[in-house]
Amino acid sequence: GNSVTQMEGPVTLSEEAFLTINCTYTATGYPSLFWYVQYPGEGLQLLLKATKADDKGSNKGFEATYRKETTSFHLEKGSVQVSDSAVYFCALSSSFYNQGGKLIFGQGTELSVKP
Amino acid sequence: DGGITQSPKYLFRKEGQNVTLSCEQNLNHDAMYWYRQDPGQGLRLIYYSQIVNDFQKGDIAEGYSVSREKKESFPLTVTSAQKNPTAFYLCASSMEGASSPLHFGNGTRLTVT
Repeated sequence: GNSVTQMEGPVTLSEEAFLTINCTYTATGYPSLFWYVQYPGEGLQLLLKATKADDKGSNKGFEATYRKETTSFHLEKGSVQVSDSAVYFCALSSSFYNQGGKLIFGQGTELSVKP
Repeated sequence: DGGITQSPKYLFRKEGQNVTLSCEQNLNHDAMYWYRQDPGQGLRLIYYSQIVNDFQKGDIAEGYSVSREKKESFPLTVTSAQKNPTAFYLCASSMEGASSPLHFGNGTRLTVT
């Protein structure tokens, strides 16, 4: 079945450091891939998405490229800020119509950025 | 502003009682979902509905029930049969299609003692 695996956290970085959070997936067909962010006590917010191989999603300085050959969708940011401290979730959506919209999530990676 | 409203934010119940969590959306989305989040874990799908008056079980439906009588509303009932009901519950909605992102509410934290 479909699944998503993220690197374990917590990840602790200093402000302005480079961020990578690894995400790999297993899926049949051609899934869409997403990164969501969750701030304490809140729901999830969409950060970025990619719907086909080699697509790059980007938002607020974050980027991720859909790599079908390595089944990966790693999240990167060149210079993190304290305000980026949150939990980040990688997710995939099945390409089959009758499962459209159902997301499968990774376990989440907590990021803590120190000033 | 369009969005998803979950209420209440915090809910406390005694063991053996059923409890209903509210979820309302004004995004005109056809599909709605309930996820459960436990500390250190990802989100697990409880139920989802792609159209009014129809819904399907997700991966952990046992001990839960839902209804979808209106497009805007998708309430979740946590029954006394749910063995470990204490968790953070998230409701979401989306437009039709696999590439449509989910829009989430701010969640309800349920504590059962």
